[in-house]
Amino acid sequence: GEDVEQSLFLSVREGDSSVINCTYTDSSSTYLYWYKQEPGAGLQLLTYIFSNMDMKQDQRLTVLLNKKDKHLSLRIADTQTGDSAIYFCAERNTGGFKTIFGAGTRLFVKA
Amino acid sequence: DAGITQSPRHKVTETGTPVTLRCHQTENHRYMYWYRQDPGHGLRLIHYSYGVKDTDKGEVSDGYSVSRSKTEDFLLTLESATSSQTSVYFCAISSAGTGNQPQHFGDGTRLSIL
Repeated sequence: GEDVEQSLFLSVREGDSSVINCTYTDSSSTYLYWYKQEPGAGLQLLTYIFSNMDMKQDQRLTVLLNKKDKHLSLRIADTQTGDSAIYFCAERNTGGFKTIFGAGTRLFVKA
Repeated sequence: DAGITQSPRHKVTETGTPVTLRCHQTENHRYMYWYRQDPGHGLRLIHYSYGVKDTDKGEVSDGYSVSRSKTEDFLLTLESATSSQTSVYFCAISSAGTGNQPQHFGDGTRLSIL
């Protein structure tokens, strides 16, 4: 069945770049999303990419998609303490309402 | 931020009692979803709705029921709560079920079943 996998933890120093990785299994995935969850809050949509794109940049965020390897990454430039949160990768295929979420990567930013 | 309100935000109750969680939206979106979030599992879909009185099961629907009598409200009911239903519950909405219409989430309800 469909599955989305992420590493559980990532620790970086303030000012460094963070790279959060995700792999998915559904080759028909069309839309891939990154959500951010801060403590006690819901998931906030950060950015998304269509499967016909390789890269999308939005301010400090860069999303890279390797469709051949079914690998998605989120790079956060100049990581700040306010970026500490859980980041979820999610995928959805064309014609499907169902969104599959990974288990989330907890990002720790050290000052 | 999408206008989604979940109530209550926190609840503690005992095994065997009925519990109803409410999701209220002001966006007039057609699709509404209930998820539970547990450590190591990410979000798992419980039930979803694609219109008033139109609902269907998700991957972890056992022990849960839902109702949607108005566009803006989606209720999740645990008929007889069990300790395994202790979790954080999130409501989400989207304007369409297909295409690039991402889901937007409420702030969650933390439910503890003792």
